[in-house]
Amino acid sequence: GNSVTQMEGPVTLSEEAFLTINCTYTATGYPSLFWYVQYPGEGLQLLLKATKADDKGSNKGFEATYRKETTSFHLEKGSVQVSDSAVYFCALTRLYNFNKFYFGSGTKLNVKP
Amino acid sequence: DAGVTQSPTHLIKTRGQHVTLRCSPISGHKSVSWYQQVLGQGPQFIFQYYEKEERGRGNFPDRFSARQFPNYSSELNVNALLLGDSALYLCASSLAQAQETQYFGPGTRLLVL
Repeated sequence: GNSVTQMEGPVTLSEEAFLTINCTYTATGYPSLFWYVQYPGEGLQLLLKATKADDKGSNKGFEATYRKETTSFHLEKGSVQVSDSAVYFCALTRLYNFNKFYFGSGTKLNVKP
Repeated sequence: DAGVTQSPTHLIKTRGQHVTLRCSPISGHKSVSWYQQVLGQGPQFIFQYYEKEERGRGNFPDRFSARQFPNYSSELNVNALLLGDSALYLCASSLAQAQETQYFGPGTRLLVL
């Protein structure tokens, strides 16, 4: 079946530290991979995506590379800010005939000044 | 353009009651999906509707139902509420039936007592 596994949080970093949030997936075929971010009291916002192996998604300083050989899509940022504090969700979808997303359990990031 | 809107924002019900949640997609989007997000977990897929027809269904009991209207707005109905139905209910819209990028609303937080 299809599933996503994320590293458990919370992850606590100081401002300007390097961030890595691990994500691995299980899927048949070739899924599309996503990172969504959820700020307190809000819905999910698309952060970045990659649709095929070796693609790199990037946005707002965040990056993730679709690694088929390791079935991974780790999220990285070189220098985090306090405003990056949120919950990050890794997700995949398989485009059969409908748009069902499989989400990981989320990783909470706390950035301290 | 307005994003995905949901109403109400918060709701408190008692066990056995019925609830209706509403969602308006982004203008021009014809697909609406519903997700349940229990506290501390990732969203779980409930339904997808496209062009007023159910196109996908997750692993939820028949107490959960939905429909989509000619203006592409949608309702999620839950009958015979259980304590375990307490969650954030998220609506997501996309342009097409199998469009990769989904845009999420802020959610309706349901508490069942």
